[in-house]
Order: sequence, then C-alpha cells, then structure tokens
Amino acid sequence: SQTIHQWPATLVQPVGSPLSLECTVEGTSNPNLYWYRQAAGRGLQLLFYSVGIGQISSEVPQNLSASRPQDRQFILSSKKLLLSDSGFYLCAWRPTYYEQYFGPGTRLTVT
Amino acid sequence: DQQVKQNSPSLSVQEGRISILNCDYTNSMFDYFLWYKKYPAEGPTFLISISSIKDKNEDGRFTVFLNKSAKHLSLHIVPSQPGDSAVYFCAASAGFGNEKLTFGTGTRLTIIP
Repeated sequence: SQTIHQWPATLVQPVGSPLSLECTVEGTSNPNLYWYRQAAGRGLQLLFYSVGIGQISSEVPQNLSASRPQDRQFILSSKKLLLSDSGFYLCAWRPTYYEQYFGPGTRLTVT
Repeated sequence: DQQVKQNSPSLSVQEGRISILNCDYTNSMFDYFLWYKKYPAEGPTFLISISSIKDKNEDGRFTVFLNKSAKHLSLHIVPSQPGDSAVYFCAASAGFGNEKLTFGTGTRLTIIP
C-alpha cells in the first residue's frame, strides 16, 4: 500500500532563517505531488505541484520554492522565512484519477 | 476569486441526527467533486466523491448530493457520531487530466453528545 511521509512534524524558526520541508511517498511510482498550506482559520491553499522529476508548477508567487529531485521526493524550501509563512504545510499525492491523499503535515511557526 | 465556497464556517448537530454540510461552486468546468475530513494537526482524509454525471453517491453513513443547475453540493452524514467532529472541506476538479483540486474554506462540524 502507499504511504506518504512528511518531516519534521513541527518546526519553530526565526524570521529570516532558511526552510526545508521534505515529503516522500512509498509504494507508488511517478505520482503527482502537491504542497499546500493551511493558514490559521483558512482553507487549503495550493502552493506547488509536480507531475514528474524536475517539473514544478507554482500557484502562488511568494518566497517559497519547491523541488523534486527524485520520483517520490518533494521538497519545500525558503531562503528567508517571513512571519506570514507560519502555517500548517501539507504534502499530497495523486495516483491516477482525481483523489489526492495527504500526509500528516508540518506545523511551522515563524517567530 | 473563491471558486468553491463553504458559507457556513461552523455547524453543531446533536449526536444521532443528520448533519448537512453545503458547498457552492462558480466554475461550470468543474466536473468532479470531493469531500475531505480533517482533524486538528492532521492531514485531510478523503471521504467521498461524485462525478458530474451523477446526482447522488452513497458510502455508508455518508451521502453526497450534486445539483448541477444550482452549482451546489451537499454532504449528508446520518446518523452523526462524536467522531464526526472535524473540519470538512469540499473540493472540485475541472476535467480529467487537470492536475489540481480547488478547495473550499471548510466547515467545522461539532457533534453534541
């Protein structure tokens, strides 16, 4: 069966520090991968998605970036965090059709 | 522009009664709709979906209804149980092969024992 992992589970970082969040999927190949953010009291905002290695589509211009160095690995990065980057970051994958399946999430607090 | 709207941020329902969560959309290209359930500090879990060629889909206690002319869908949970207390998101997709889902802002459902 397929499993999606995210780490770390929680992270507290100062403003201006770098960020790296990692997501990996097991048990499947060539999945579509997605990064979402849920800010406090808000819905799910799609940040990036990838349909293959090295292919990244950005949905929202911001100081975040994403990379997909391997088929089942998706990384969310920032060179300098802002206070507004605080939120709950979710990675998701999609097998074939429409449903997306989410990881456990990372709670990021920028102080 | 919010293409998928959940106008009720919260809903409280007595245990054993029916919970009805509503969702409206504006994009006529949406042809597949999904409901997700989310507990705090966890990722959303997929609940149930419906294609635009149908107007109803059932899975156990969960039923989703789609009214294409009104661009409205609803999720019915019956009977409601305490474990159903969570935030529910509806989502929509425009066409097979479209890579993205558009999510609503969520409705927090609280089941009162």
